[in-house]
Amino acid sequence: GESVGLHLPTLSVQEGDNSIINCAYSNSASDYFIWYKQESGKGPQFIIDIRSNMDKRQGQRVTVLLNKTVKHLSLQIAATQPGDSAVYFCAERTGSARQLTFGSGTQLTVLP
Amino acid sequence: KAGVTQTPRYLIKTRGQQVTLSCSPISGHRSVSWYQQTPGQGLQFLFEYFSETQRNKGNFPGRFSGRQFSNSRSEMNVSTLELGDSALYLCASSLAVAGETQYFGPGTRLLVL
Repeated sequence: GESVGLHLPTLSVQEGDNSIINCAYSNSASDYFIWYKQESGKGPQFIIDIRSNMDKRQGQRVTVLLNKTVKHLSLQIAATQPGDSAVYFCAERTGSARQLTFGSGTQLTVLP
Repeated sequence: KAGVTQTPRYLIKTRGQQVTLSCSPISGHRSVSWYQQTPGQGLQFLFEYFSETQRNKGNFPGRFSGRQFSNSRSEMNVSTLELGDSALYLCASSLAVAGETQYFGPGTRLLVL
């Protein structure tokens, strides 16, 4: 059949504003989550991770929030910069195989 | 510390040919995972190697295979290439197990004509 491209959710923010990127994960048994950033033509770059025994974790300009009740993960980027423009993926670890499963990604565009 | 490296970066092949891609993990990392990334399917897990043994395998046909050497370097092979194999092939390494933080290489862009 015809291959249809993934329709990535998009988020546009003004430079200097805060960004919030959301991710719904699928398995309530997932115990570890990672956010990656992928710029055009590059491989995914690790941003921040969080384990299921935590609700919040902060890094440099980034914060990850985990809501296990609704199986929701979010990435907050403070003072968004042009260099933050990229596709952002969340990944969850689950199952006996303990491998990571990636979401489809969100395209973040930072407007001047 | 050097990151994950992948060679070649770009490759053009024709249908029916085979291809071998190489990945060198971060020094000290023993787990190497391979992913296929396409606009249509996103990031899909191919397989994971640890200490020269395949530990996990994704849902790909047997044309996709891999191996890992004693120095943790890994190769993946795709035989009898199909047009649909055109993709970015990403390698990721982690310290011990694939479920821990994985660090990705830049990928090999494969185009099958």
